[in-house]
Amino acid sequence: KQEVTQIPAALSVPEGENLVLNCSFTDSAIYNLQWFRQDPGKGLTSLLLIQSSQREQTSGRLNASLDKSSGRSTLYIAASQPGDSATYLCAVQETSGSRLTFGEGTQLTVNP
Amino acid sequence: SAVISQKPSRDICQRGTSLTIQCQVDSQVTMMFWYRQQPGQSLTLIATANQGSEATYESGFVIDKFPISRPNLTFSTLTVSNMSPEDSSIYLCSVETSFTDTQYFGPGTRLTVL
Repeated sequence: KQEVTQIPAALSVPEGENLVLNCSFTDSAIYNLQWFRQDPGKGLTSLLLIQSSQREQTSGRLNASLDKSSGRSTLYIAASQPGDSATYLCAVQETSGSRLTFGEGTQLTVNP
Repeated sequence: SAVISQKPSRDICQRGTSLTIQCQVDSQVTMMFWYRQQPGQSLTLIATANQGSEATYESGFVIDKFPISRPNLTFSTLTVSNMSPEDSSIYLCSVETSFTDTQYFGPGTRLTVL
């Protein structure tokens, strides 16, 4: 059974700092990995999707990497801003069209 | 991308009653899913809503408690039946289009059962 773990559970940083969120998964036979953002009481916003054949994806200040063999992914946020404060969720998909298995999330607070 | 709406956005219900949540997508999609997010926890898949056939439920979830309909490729409903306080959660609809592997989520329905 696939299990997804995110470290740290919570992170508080001053504005402008670069930061890294970690995600690990137990079964490396994944189809893709997706990073989401969730604001309090809201739905999920897709940030980045990395296919199993890819090593990284970038969108603006966000960069996600994938090391499938070791079962790890990182989300790098450059020059953090207070508006980045949210919970960040990592999820893996094992086959096309199948469910996502989520981690518990990292709650990020960026202080002005 | 896909734009997803859910109704209601939130509700407060009495124990023993039922609530039906609607999910509407702005385009035809192949895959629709229903997830539950209990307070302080991550998301857990309830079922996959299949168009024209019965939903496929995950372990621990049953059709009598969470009946699902999917009459066409843009719409689905999830009913939470005979509710108890343990059903208090955010319920989210998600879709996967045939053009991308990205899953898109609706804004969620926040349910409180008293």
